[in-house]
Amino acid sequence: AQRVTQPEKLLSVFKGAPVELKCNYSYSGSPELFWYVQYSRQRLQLLLRHISRESIKGFTADLNKGETSFHLKKPFAQEEDSAMYYCALSGRTYNTDKLIFGTGTRLQVFP
Amino acid sequence: NAGVTQTPKFQVLKTGQSMTLQCAQDMNHEYMSWYRQDPGMGLRLIHYSVGAGITDQGEVPNGYNVSRSTTEDFPLRLLSAAPSQTSVYFCASSYQTGGSYEQYFGPGTRLTVT
Repeated sequence: AQRVTQPEKLLSVFKGAPVELKCNYSYSGSPELFWYVQYSRQRLQLLLRHISRESIKGFTADLNKGETSFHLKKPFAQEEDSAMYYCALSGRTYNTDKLIFGTGTRLQVFP
Repeated sequence: NAGVTQTPKFQVLKTGQSMTLQCAQDMNHEYMSWYRQDPGMGLRLIHYSVGAGITDQGEVPNGYNVSRSTTEDFPLRLLSAAPSQTSVYFCASSYQTGGSYEQYFGPGTRLTVT
């Protein structure tokens, strides 16, 4: 079964502290993993995708197929990073862009 | 480009009423989908469409109907609203199926069923 697990509902850190938002997935084929972010009162938007291997707003995420994880990391959190973060999986086996989302982690960065 | 637009932004319905949530995109995207967002449950796929005239069910389709008569529009119909359908609804679109393409989301519709 395809599944995305984000074990933390809430992650609170102080400004300047490192951040790691956990994401584990279950998928039998070759998944594509994404991180989407939703800032307060804004629409959901793509933060990054594993296939691009890019760093956006200081965030990085590495796909670890052995551990079936795609954790989102940032070395120094900023207050503007406070938002809801969703890990998502695209099931290419079905040749669609159906996204399966995790339950989300709310990141709070305190000054 | 306006991107993905949704109307209305807010709606209150009584149990048993019907209504249609509108979604439109002006990016000529093939793929469109509807999600509902509930606390502690993330986003769950209701219905999706891979092109005009083609729709399919997602994870939680019961109580909802969709149609895709044009590339631009993908309305979501609630035939007989129930309190369990109280949620925030998001429409999304992407350029093409079968690839790692970004999905663009609308601003959402907050629906309350009393």
